[in-house]
Amino acid sequence: EPEVTQTPSHQVTQMGQEVILRCVPISNHLYFYWYRQILGQKVEFLVSFYNNEISEKSEIFDDQFSVERPDGSNFTLKIRSTKLEDSAMYFCASRGLAGGGEQFFGPGTRLTVL
Amino acid sequence: SQKIEQNSEALNIQEGKTATLTCNYTNYSPAYLQWYRQDPGRGPVFLLLIRENEKEKRKERLKVTFDTTLKQSLFHITASQPADSATYLCALQSSGGSYIPTFGRGTSLIVHP
Repeated sequence: EPEVTQTPSHQVTQMGQEVILRCVPISNHLYFYWYRQILGQKVEFLVSFYNNEISEKSEIFDDQFSVERPDGSNFTLKIRSTKLEDSAMYFCASRGLAGGGEQFFGPGTRLTVL
Repeated sequence: SQKIEQNSEALNIQEGKTATLTCNYTNYSPAYLQWYRQDPGRGPVFLLLIRENEKEKRKERLKVTFDTTLKQSLFHITASQPADSATYLCALQSSGGSYIPTFGRGTSLIVHP
């Protein structure tokens, strides 16, 4: 069964450093998303991506964040200058064209900013 | 502002019983309501979707109801098993656009053998 994959599973970085989180969505999906979940909190939407551009983004997704689909398979989230409060689980998700928005989530990357 | 409420207290039940989880919402008119399962340290896994014009949806041991008047969804797991222990998330979506779901905080279900 196809699945979304994410790398790395755990990333530790120093405050102020740049990190890139990687995702490989399900191959025939067209909509891609990043979410984050701070420990003990709810899953929060960051950004959606369709047709090679951002379609929606939340208030959390400020100028420190960017997304890219550098090739036909990878989808990346970059945080330019990490802050302590960026520590969270980051989930990638993808969706096909079917209405209703069933999303398939990856296993997540745990980001720890020291 | 939009609000989704799920019981923050864990639900403890005995194996074989029916678990019922509640999702209430305010200031929202969702076109779709979804339920996801999340295990510790893992991503959410989609379980069921119900549309605003549907009252009930079933899948194997799972049943979801959706009452747009009460602004409430109930999620039932019949013949519960210890393997059903997890956190269950309710998510609301408006129609159109990117179908961005807004998640509740989830309710932890613990099924005791």
